[in-house]
Amino acid sequence: SQQGEEDPQALSIQEGENATMNCSYKTSINNLQWYRQNSGRGLVHLILIRSNEREKHSGRLRVTLDTSKKSSSLLITASRAADTASYFCASFSGGTSYGKLTFGQGTILTVHP
Amino acid sequence: ETGVTQSPTHLIKTRGQQVTLRCSSQSGHNTVSWYQQALGQGPQFIFQYYREEENGRGNFPPRFSGLQFPNYSSELNVNALELDDSALYLCASSSTMQETQYFGPGTRLLVL
Repeated sequence: SQQGEEDPQALSIQEGENATMNCSYKTSINNLQWYRQNSGRGLVHLILIRSNEREKHSGRLRVTLDTSKKSSSLLITASRAADTASYFCASFSGGTSYGKLTFGQGTILTVHP
Repeated sequence: ETGVTQSPTHLIKTRGQQVTLRCSSQSGHNTVSWYQQALGQGPQFIFQYYREEENGRGNFPPRFSGLQFPNYSSELNVNALELDDSALYLCASSSTMQETQYFGPGTRLLVL
């Protein structure tokens, strides 16, 4: 079963606007990762934030992590039509020789030109 | 492109049949994980292979089994297919020292 929940389930915005997606998880984690998926194809890794970090930036992406609330958010600034995709958060648990990702149900982002 | 390849891209089977899906991991990666993604859902962890042994398993029945070969490529086998097995099957490779998993494009399985 899915561990996490994502909010909103779907988000529709105009090009140039910011998009914010939220994620919650249930158990302790090593880190939390965000992935993107286009049209039901493979997942593309976007960013990883460790459990001892609170905020991380990568290009137009900003991720926050609140371990006390077991939640994370992904902000995409100045969105583009090419950002249209499904976005998934995934909590990583395990050690150096074993680790699994537990995914949320995803947010479908549509960016209108 | 992640360097992880999967075959076939699409597959149609009938209930009760068996299927084998294949995955070639990215160069330098020795760990392969398999995920099942039903339509409209997030991927669910099936199992992970490390040094040719199953290294962790999700909540899937024993009819889901796998192999990892000395070159770190992997197979997912599903016996006695059920309609609910229809899904996108994703393979991901990683290095034991890395937490990021790199996904292949997936195999879409339809069970009729």
